[in-house]
Amino acid sequence: GDSVTQMEGPVTLSEEAFLTINCTYTATGYPSLFWYVQYPGEGLQLLLKATKADDKGSNKGFEATYRKETTSFHLEKGSVQVSDSAVYFCALSLIGTASKLTFGTGTRLQVTL
Amino acid sequence: DAGITQSPRHKVTETGTPVTLRCHQTENHRYMYWYRQDPGHGLRLIHYSYGVKDTDKGEVSDGYSVSRSKTEDFLLTLESATSSQTSVYFCAISEPDVSYEQYFGPGTRLTVT
Repeated sequence: GDSVTQMEGPVTLSEEAFLTINCTYTATGYPSLFWYVQYPGEGLQLLLKATKADDKGSNKGFEATYRKETTSFHLEKGSVQVSDSAVYFCALSLIGTASKLTFGTGTRLQVTL
Repeated sequence: DAGITQSPRHKVTETGTPVTLRCHQTENHRYMYWYRQDPGHGLRLIHYSYGVKDTDKGEVSDGYSVSRSKTEDFLLTLESATSSQTSVYFCAISEPDVSYEQYFGPGTRLTVT
């Protein structure tokens, strides 16, 4: 079946450090890929998305590129802030599946001063 | 923010009692979803709806039922709650004709003692 694998956390970084959170997927079709972010005590918010190979999603300084050859969608940010501390979820959705999302287990990011 | 509310936001109940969680949207989106979030599992789909009175099972549907009598409301019922159903429950909505994105509610924390 379809699945998403994320690096385990927590990831602890100092402010202004470079962030990478790895995400790889397996899918029976051609998925759309997403990163969602969950701040403490809140629901999930869409951070960025990509719908086809080589697309780059970007938002709030975060970027991820859809790599079909490596089945990956790694999240990156050049300089993290304390306010980026949250749980990040990678997810996929397949056409014709009612937009159902398959999530990774989430990666907690802690950014310290 | 998408207009999605969930009620109650917190609930403690005893094993064997029935529980109903409500999701209400003001966006007129066709699709609605119920997920549960557990440590180490990310979010997993319980049930979803693709229209009034049209529902289908997700990957963890055992012990849960849903109903959708109006576009704006999607109810999740635990007929006889068990401790394994202690979790945080999220509702989400989407309109696939417009985009693949799902918008999430704030969540309901359910504890079954």
